[in-house]
Amino acid sequence: QKEVEQNSGPLSVPEGAIASLNCTYSDRVSQSFFWYRQYSGKSPELIMSIYSNGDKEDGRFTAQLNKASQYVSLLIRDSQPSDSATYLCAVNSQAAGNKLTFGGGTRVLVKP
Amino acid sequence: GAVVSQHPSRVICKSGTSVKIECRSLDFQATTMFWYRQFPKQSLMLMATSNEGSKATYEQGVEKDKFLINHASLTLSTLTVTSAHPEDSSFYICSARDRIVNTEAFFGQGTRLTVV
Repeated sequence: QKEVEQNSGPLSVPEGAIASLNCTYSDRVSQSFFWYRQYSGKSPELIMSIYSNGDKEDGRFTAQLNKASQYVSLLIRDSQPSDSATYLCAVNSQAAGNKLTFGGGTRVLVKP
Repeated sequence: GAVVSQHPSRVICKSGTSVKIECRSLDFQATTMFWYRQFPKQSLMLMATSNEGSKATYEQGVEKDKFLINHASLTLSTLTVTSAHPEDSSFYICSARDRIVNTEAFFGQGTRLTVV
């Protein structure tokens, strides 16, 4: 079982719709959770961080964390073609040496 | 977010030569920097963790004598790919963690290495 799992996609959504991305992780003592966006040929860019259960909203992005279910998600509202990218879920655990472990990424395609 | 500068962005080198990649945190001090490599359509693979003033910690399967990492100051880490071969061609990315806010990690722009 991979430590951080994501559906590889592509997730195709029409412009203006909500894109919903999911991520599960195996290390129960994980403490910090991040979503990065990576455009093709570029390095990842941090878009959201979340540390406690519940929802966290930042503009069109909402991260949701459920530690009991070991599940973190990202919602992108009013999706734009510029949101087309690969979204990487990353999990940090101090018990695991304080390293970020990345999922394989979900490719999102927003169609005009 | 914090700024991490990585140079060069692209490099082409001949087989057998060495290439040095620099990673700098511009507006914060980074006790820890991470080096990743990424092959096309794959996720990031952590190569090593670099701590200021101490030896790097390499992930399993990564040759420490081939990928030399130096973290001489709180704002600079370097990765040297020694005796490069075509199979070393990849996208190398560094990230740095703020010494004060020790949670989020910020990425450099990445270095596209092509060994011919």
